Amino acid sequence: NAGVTQTPKFQVLKTGQSMTLQCAQDMNHEYMSWYRQDPGMGLRLIHYSVGAGITDQGEVPNGYNVSRSTTEDFPLRLLSAAPSQTSVYFCASSGDRGYGYTFGSGTRLTVV
Amino acid sequence: AQKVTQAQTEISVVEKEDVTLDCVYETRDTTYYLFWYKQPPSGELVFLIRRNSFDEQNEISGRYSWNFQKSTSSFNFTITASQVVDSAVYFCALSEVGAAGNKLTFGGGTRVLVKP
Repeated sequence: NAGVTQTPKFQVLKTGQSMTLQCAQDMNHEYMSWYRQDPGMGLRLIHYSVGAGITDQGEVPNGYNVSRSTTEDFPLRLLSAAPSQTSVYFCASSGDRGYGYTFGSGTRLTVV
Repeated sequence: AQKVTQAQTEISVVEKEDVTLDCVYETRDTTYYLFWYKQPPSGELVFLIRRNSFDEQNEISGRYSWNFQKSTSSFNFTITASQVVDSAVYFCALSEVGAAGNKLTFGGGTRVLVKP
């Protein structure tokens, strides 16, 4: 099925560990984004990409890195996990400006 | 900077009641898009509607309807004759055409609980 695939669905990390959240889409979309969802705060943009090789920071980029080597993949790296990064992470892709995003199913991350 | 406000954090209704979710936005762009997403208890985000800033027509889709009023910067969402399956968190979002990256700015969400 066409869409956005995120892995893993659940992850527990210890403070200071690093990890990569994977995101892949098969719709040939140019725009991809990572959001985090915290209670009462809606979704906040971490990083986004407008095409392969082009990324930029969103509202809450600290502690996260991204790269976009292909159109399909947009991994999110946590460099040194902190309890404040406990959240639900969503990857999303969009084919055109203003056409909204298709979201992955989310990754629930807990940092202890 | 763009901003979306959903003042209602939680609404509880009894099945078959109507429920209206408020959304107020701020933007300096003259061209923008507004969205509503639904997040059921299972956690995924489901796209409901997109509206561009030049189209102020209200829209009805089954039991859902949307009222876009540019004069008050509002894009409200009404569920008519609510059902238990409507229980979810609903997010309003804004995308400015002039902004890089086709970024979405979300409101804080409104949790709707429909009781049988």
